[in-house]
Amino acid sequence: DVKVTQSSRYLVKRTGEKVFLECVQDMDHENMFWYRQDPGLGLRLIYFSYDVKMKEKGDIPEGYSVSREKKERFSLILESASTNQTSMYLCASRVMGLAGGSNEQFFGPGTRLTVL
Amino acid sequence: AQRVTQPEKLLSVFKGAPVELKCNYSYSGSPELFWYVQYSRQRLQLLLRHISRESIKGFTADLNKGETSFHLKKPFAQEEDSAMYYCALRKAGANNLFFGTGTRLTVIP
Repeated sequence: DVKVTQSSRYLVKRTGEKVFLECVQDMDHENMFWYRQDPGLGLRLIYFSYDVKMKEKGDIPEGYSVSREKKERFSLILESASTNQTSMYLCASRVMGLAGGSNEQFFGPGTRLTVL
Repeated sequence: AQRVTQPEKLLSVFKGAPVELKCNYSYSGSPELFWYVQYSRQRLQLLLRHISRESIKGFTADLNKGETSFHLKKPFAQEEDSAMYYCALRKAGANNLFFGTGTRLTVIP
């Protein structure tokens, strides 16, 4: 059973703080993703990584960076948190199948970040 | 550019009634379509994918390329179907998904 874990369920930070959100998966998946989930906006992709040290910007990368030093771990970094980054953050992973393959994305439980 | 539209933010139906959650997409290539579901206090999970042509928990979805739709249907709604439902699209050859804005389904007892 695939397990995707996120370091915190709830996080409260102050404006300007540097914030690290950690995600770990235990199924040796190549692909990992960070989304934010907002009411009325659905899930929007921030960044994804298709291999160690590889990353690509998603739809809303501004204000975020990522790190993938090990295959199982994908970190989302808010260099200087702002109130508009208050959101639910979801991590996901997926095995690298055939190009365009329908391999499922497995999601973590989410981290609800509040920036004051 | 690709786009996934779920026109209903909220949908309420009575238990035992049919339910249809709408999803329309725009993409010039051959997409893969998915429905994901999030039950209360649970993580987002895959419900079904179009290429599997399967029925999961009584739900089905048919890809209609002519109408560019992938509506989710169930003939008799159950209370446990109450959840947030997201339609998602993967472009040919891509790794990531594009999600719609979601529809919150409430099944009234």
